[in-house]
Amino acid sequence: GQQLNQSPQSMFIQEGEDVSMNCTSSSIFNTWLWYKQEPGEGPVLLIALYKAGELTSNGRLTAQFGITRKDSFLNISASIPSDVGIYFCAGQRGYGGSQGNLIFGKGTKLSVKP
Amino acid sequence: GAGVSQSPRYKVAKRGQDVALRCDPISGHVSLFWYQQALGQGPEFLTYFQNEAQLDKSGLPSDRFFAERPEGSVSTLKIQRTQQEDSAVYLCASSQKVGGIGMEETQYFGPGTRLLVL
Repeated sequence: GQQLNQSPQSMFIQEGEDVSMNCTSSSIFNTWLWYKQEPGEGPVLLIALYKAGELTSNGRLTAQFGITRKDSFLNISASIPSDVGIYFCAGQRGYGGSQGNLIFGKGTKLSVKP
Repeated sequence: GAGVSQSPRYKVAKRGQDVALRCDPISGHVSLFWYQQALGQGPEFLTYFQNEAQLDKSGLPSDRFFAERPEGSVSTLKIQRTQQEDSAVYLCASSQKVGGIGMEETQYFGPGTRLLVL
């Protein structure tokens, strides 16, 4: 099935560093979302973006909905150890019903630098 | 309960065995989605219910996969004659309304069922 292009695949962080990841698609989406998944759990919504160009923050997290509607990025500022996990971008083509099913990227795995 | 629950959390099946995975969505949520997540991948859409109606099953990988939601609340995903390639995490998500925009369409995920087919 289709998956979004998400990069980087993995990254190591040191506490206090800023982190950036992005997602691109060949198709237009009406909604972009960012989820975090921890081992043994389902994805948890971090930020939802509903309009092209929209920039939204949630604490130390900031995400933007690209103007072309084909991309999005997520920034994490001043990372802390509990930020480790796998971050997924997801797009929705439409509103309501099965148009609402999510298309996910492959994820960005955040780990702590040894 | 407050969130989406799924059972069992883990299932080991022998190849050829039938399995049934259960999802309890958030009470009152109209929409219910099933996703399959292979190791190291993002979740992939399987099927969608609006109340008891299965409106989209385009993501089901084969006719061995069957899902139902007879009373518009609890849903069951059944896999017949399991194969090793069916090993994955099966996630269920629910959202409040159909046709809503924004928070009403937010999908809340359960913890998933980890299926291992030997």
